Amino acid sequence: GAGVSQSPSNKVTEKGKDVELRCDPISGHTALYWYRQRLGQGLEFLIYFQGNSAPDKSGLPSDRFSAERTGESVSTLTIQRTQQEDSAVYLCASSGRTGDIQYFGAGTRLSVL
Amino acid sequence: QKEVEQNSGPLSVPEGAIASLNCTYSDRGSQSFFWYRQYSGKSPELIMSIYSNGDKEDGRFTAQLNKASQYVSLLIRDSQPSDSATYLCAVNRRGSYIPTFGRGTSLIVHP
Repeated sequence: GAGVSQSPSNKVTEKGKDVELRCDPISGHTALYWYRQRLGQGLEFLIYFQGNSAPDKSGLPSDRFSAERTGESVSTLTIQRTQQEDSAVYLCASSGRTGDIQYFGAGTRLSVL
Repeated sequence: QKEVEQNSGPLSVPEGAIASLNCTYSDRGSQSFFWYRQYSGKSPELIMSIYSNGDKEDGRFTAQLNKASQYVSLLIRDSQPSDSATYLCAVNRRGSYIPTFGRGTSLIVHP
């Protein structure tokens, strides 16, 4: 596709349920980032993937959060046992070069009831 | 001290005026600098990137970088109501592959 694609665009779940968010980066982009943005707040870095290297998980807020990416393809962010404080927009971005311009997807708006 | 600082605003300017948005950073070894625009309810999109000292112009937008003073600014000439958004500054520190984002400045251009 032409841009970064994220799905679903909206997700409403009950507290305690697991959710899986998907990101399809721009073809050929080796770097992929996940961010969280709470209402009215800035971008909070979660995790970074670069090719087949080990991901940088330093931003994950707890062990309920995990992410996977196979090679330079789709990535999934999984949140287990969701809590109300997990409610936010989860943004994925990809980049053709590490540390360079990022292209963002439209985001997934997660609401935990 | 935060790594990347921006005035949260809102910055309010009349239509047709010049809007000046500022960003300071703490790491002198920072190498890449980016301005993203984020409309309410939307995702960030790149406005400008700048890598060396001086000015870089693109249409109504000019990015200014001063590494000695550790600031980067974005000027928007002939501001339009459609420029009303939050502007995020991002800085890539030396040795890091994860750009650090400021919290953004809200710009309001009123007719």
